[in-house]
Parts: sequence; structure tokens; C-alpha cells
Amino acid sequence: TQLLEQSPQFLSIQEGENLTVYCNSSSVFSSLQWYRQEPGEGPVLLVTVVTGGEVKKLKRLTFQFGDARKDSSLHITAAQPGDTGLYLCAGLSFSGNQFYFGTGTSLTVIP
Amino acid sequence: NAGVTQTPKFQVLKTGQSMTLQCAQDMNHNSMYWYRQDPGMGLRLIYYSASEGTTDKGEVPNGYNVSRLNKREFSLRLESAAPSQTSVYFCASSEGVGGYEAFFGQGTRLTVV
Repeated sequence: TQLLEQSPQFLSIQEGENLTVYCNSSSVFSSLQWYRQEPGEGPVLLVTVVTGGEVKKLKRLTFQFGDARKDSSLHITAAQPGDTGLYLCAGLSFSGNQFYFGTGTSLTVIP
Repeated sequence: NAGVTQTPKFQVLKTGQSMTLQCAQDMNHNSMYWYRQDPGMGLRLIYYSASEGTTDKGEVPNGYNVSRLNKREFSLRLESAAPSQTSVYFCASSEGVGGYEAFFGQGTRLTVV
């Protein structure tokens, strides 16, 4: 069962542009994480959001957890080639001990 | 620090063969996980071990078995490999289950022909 859908699946933009990646579900999550994965490597944690409506900023990256705790977004300002990678959201259910990962968004930033 | 180490990095199996993927972490984490990653499907949890001595099924456990050998090591076994098990496998560890950060290995690319 795929609980988390990410959009878009692929995104190719020019350096300096802004972008937003969405992570949506019909399920409610107790917390949500965003990871970035580079080719040939495992995912690396970017942020964890735990409160509905929470907004966290990490330099040029802004993460938001939906008020209803069913969705999240990642906004990147002035994208750079170093932002290239696969972005994965992962939601922790209230009833389980595991994170469910989203389908992933592959971002390419062209110099 | 090595973090999470997986072996092997690449493997080709024939249908019906068996193999074990090894994973070790040096961060003294309590919880360990095995995921598979397929295009367009993100990461799917196969099995996890919340603490030494316990293992539990994840989303896609069929065709796999696991062993939590000790606190450091968590292995994944394919008893009779099938082409549907062609995937990239990731081991991860965390301080505990729940909202902790997961640290991932570099992955094992497995092809079953």
C-alpha cells in the first residue's frame, strides 16, 4: 500500500529558479521527514516536522507540514546544481513503528 | 565513522538461488531496517528490528527472512530468488523506532535473472 504520493515525479529546472515538491496522503501522520538521495547513495535526512502547520527552514529549503497532518511541501528558493537529487518524504503513522516513504521526486537543476 | 555498511554492493543471482545481504552499524543504534527501492515507488519496508532480539514484518516481507545477529548486525536472506526481487536494497539504523533519524547504507543492487 502506497500511502504517500509525491508530485511532481520528475522536475528539471534552470539554476536560480524556485520550485515546490508536494507530498500528499489520505492518512494522518504523527510526524513527517524529508530525505535527499544522491545517485549511488542512501537517503540522508533533511528535516523532521512534528506539529500540524509547522514550518521549518533550512537555508534555501522551506518545509511545511499540513494543518491536518496529511500532507507536506518542500520549497526550494534559487535552486542550485547541488540541489540535484531524489527527494523523499516519509510519514510516521500513529499506529505503527515504521515510516512509510513517498514515491519520490527526482530533481535536476541545470547550470 | 563508517556508519551503516552493507555488503555486497552488487550481486547477480539466477532464479531460485539464495543469498544473504549483510548489514552492520557502528552507531550503537537499537533499531535496524531493510528497505527495497524500485523506480517510482520510493522505499518500501521489508522487515525491521526495533531492538536486539526482535524482528517484525514491514510492507513487503514475502520472500524474505531476516536475522538480528546482535546489536550491530542485521541480515536479509532471500531463500529462492525471483526476478521480482530485482531491486536496490538499503539497510538503515536509528536510535529507536518512531521519529528518529534513520541512517542508511549505500545500498546493494541486486539483479535476479
